[in-house]
Amino acid sequence: KQEVTQIPAALSVPEGENLVLNCSFTDSAIYNLQWFRQDPGKGLTSLLLIQSSQREQTSGRLNASLDKSSGRSTLYIAASQPGDSATYLCAAPPPNDYKLSFGAGTTVTVRA
Amino acid sequence: DVKVTQSSRYLVKRTGEKVFLECVQDMDHENMFWYRQDPGLGLRLIYFSYDVKMKEKGDIPEGYSVSREKKERFSLILESASTNQTSMYLCASSFKPSGNTEAFFGQGTRLTVV
Repeated sequence: KQEVTQIPAALSVPEGENLVLNCSFTDSAIYNLQWFRQDPGKGLTSLLLIQSSQREQTSGRLNASLDKSSGRSTLYIAASQPGDSATYLCAAPPPNDYKLSFGAGTTVTVRA
Repeated sequence: DVKVTQSSRYLVKRTGEKVFLECVQDMDHENMFWYRQDPGLGLRLIYFSYDVKMKEKGDIPEGYSVSREKKERFSLILESASTNQTSMYLCASSFKPSGNTEAFFGQGTRLTVV
């Protein structure tokens, strides 16, 4: 079974600082890895999907890297803003499966 | 814009009631999922469907059933609601891996069983 871990569980930074969120997974034979954002009481919003053949994916201020050999992905958010305050989750399916295994998430607070 | 729509944002039901949570997606996705999310336990898969009328149990199927009569709609059924089923329920959909497997989620249903 795919185990996904996110460290740290919570992070507080001043506005303008770059954010680095970590995700590790136990089985490297993944189809892809996906990063989500969740605001309190809401559903999940997809941020980035990295296919297994890719090393990184970028969208605006967000950049996600993937290192399958070490079982790690990192989400970078440049020049953080208070609106970036949310919980960020990563998810990956086990090999030969469609069902996502989620990390517990990192709750980010960006202080104005 | 891709869309996964859950029928209710908030529901309050009584213990013992039969509860239906509905989810509709407009992306022609084969896969649909129901998760529940609880503080400290994260997201846990209840049921999964990879095609019409097809279903697989997830990690916590006890006390739940599902129905998928049409490709776009996936229903979660609480046969006899209990207070320990008070939770946030999230529906998701995705294509099969031969295509783009990005998963999209609905806005969530906060269910309270009293």
